[in-house]
Amino acid sequence: QQPVQSPQAVILREGEDAVINCSSSKALYSVHWYRQKHGEAPVFLMILLKGGEQKGHDKISASFNEKKQQSSLYLTASQLSYSGTYFCGTGSGSRLTFGEGTQLTVNP
Amino acid sequence: NAGVMQNPRHLVRRRGQEARLRCSPMKGHSHVYWYRQLPEEGLKFMVYLQKENIIDESGMPKERFSAEFPKEGPSILRIQQVVRGDSAAYFCASSPPFGGGGSNQPQHFGDGTRLSIL
Repeated sequence: QQPVQSPQAVILREGEDAVINCSSSKALYSVHWYRQKHGEAPVFLMILLKGGEQKGHDKISASFNEKKQQSSLYLTASQLSYSGTYFCGTGSGSRLTFGEGTQLTVNP
Repeated sequence: NAGVMQNPRHLVRRRGQEARLRCSPMKGHSHVYWYRQLPEEGLKFMVYLQKENIIDESGMPKERFSAEFPKEGPSILRIQQVVRGDSAAYFCASSPPFGGGGSNQPQHFGDGTRLSIL
């Protein structure tokens, strides 16, 4: 079953923060986050494998709440380069199921 | 370039023709995944392969679509007798052999093949 991402779209000014949520009706074993710019390949951001795990690099971080079957991606002090569509992928066995994406636009 | 290589980048076919999409995984990766993406939509899982084995093809349409990952050479996604509805971007991803593959490893994507059916 496809995870649900929210919001569908968000517009920020450079330097503002954003949170993107990903929730599933099924038990989650892993959560992947990717960013895709228009016409390009999805780029891997991070993977969370354990409930309660939090990860981050630079100003992008994520958390994984296994009990609530959800993950959140946090973007702080956004930069123009953060613009793109963010996808979460939820893992079950051998396959990843991706959400419909959250379109993030960062304006100067 | 040590990344995932897909070719061709763009492929145009007429209805009824065959389309062959190729994917060479990152160096050292032995797990390959194919995804399909329609405009403004998410990635839809199609198939997961290891060398000479199909591990999970639960996302593949039952007819006209097939995939292989031979011992030598790239992985091939083959679409026979294409129809207009096959128009989409097809992405290949790969992951390393340790950790069991599947959804427990990061997947690294190629630039995709944009298939257009006339």
